[in-house]
Amino acid sequence: KQEVTQIPAALSVPEGENLVLNCSFTDSAIYNLQWFRQDPGKGLTSLLLIQSSQREQTSGRLNASLDKSSGRSTLYIAASQPGDSATYLCASDGSGAGSYQLTFGKGTKLSVIP
Amino acid sequence: DTAVSQTPKYLVTQMGNDKSIKCEQNLGHDTMYWYKQDSKKFLKIMFSYNNKELIINETVPNRFSPKSPDKAHLNLHINSLELGDSAVYFCASSPPGRPDYGYTFGSGTRLTVV
Repeated sequence: KQEVTQIPAALSVPEGENLVLNCSFTDSAIYNLQWFRQDPGKGLTSLLLIQSSQREQTSGRLNASLDKSSGRSTLYIAASQPGDSATYLCASDGSGAGSYQLTFGKGTKLSVIP
Repeated sequence: DTAVSQTPKYLVTQMGNDKSIKCEQNLGHDTMYWYKQDSKKFLKIMFSYNNKELIINETVPNRFSPKSPDKAHLNLHINSLELGDSAVYFCASSPPGRPDYGYTFGSGTRLTVV
């Protein structure tokens, strides 16, 4: 059964810093990997999706990479801003292995200090 | 707007009551899901429906009964509510066979059992 781990659980950085959030998964038979953002009391906003055949995806200041062989994904945030403060969730889609569900990590709570 | 919409957004009820949460998507997706986010903010799959048929039931108590009247709707009925059912419930949808297209989540229903 797929397990997704996110490190660190919480991260506090000063505004303007570049930062990396880490995600690891135990089963490399993933369909794709999706990064979400969740603001307090709100729903999930999809940030980036990397298909299993891809190595990375970029959107603005965000870059996500995927290394299936090592079971890792990273989310890189450049020039962080206070508005980036939120919980970031990594989720693997096991549909490629016949498991029609997203398996989530427990998230990294990011605080960007002005 | 194309989206996944859930109602109600907030639900406060007494122990022992029966309640329903409704979900609708107008994205044309075949697969819909219910996820539960517990007090520790961990998101876990409850049910997956593909084309109105149940494909995943993740050891959820049988007090929880999903119903899919058509592909665009997946409702969640909960009988005999317990304090431990308090959580945020998210509905989601995805198109099977599209690794380039991830999951879209509703904004959540915060259920509080008192």
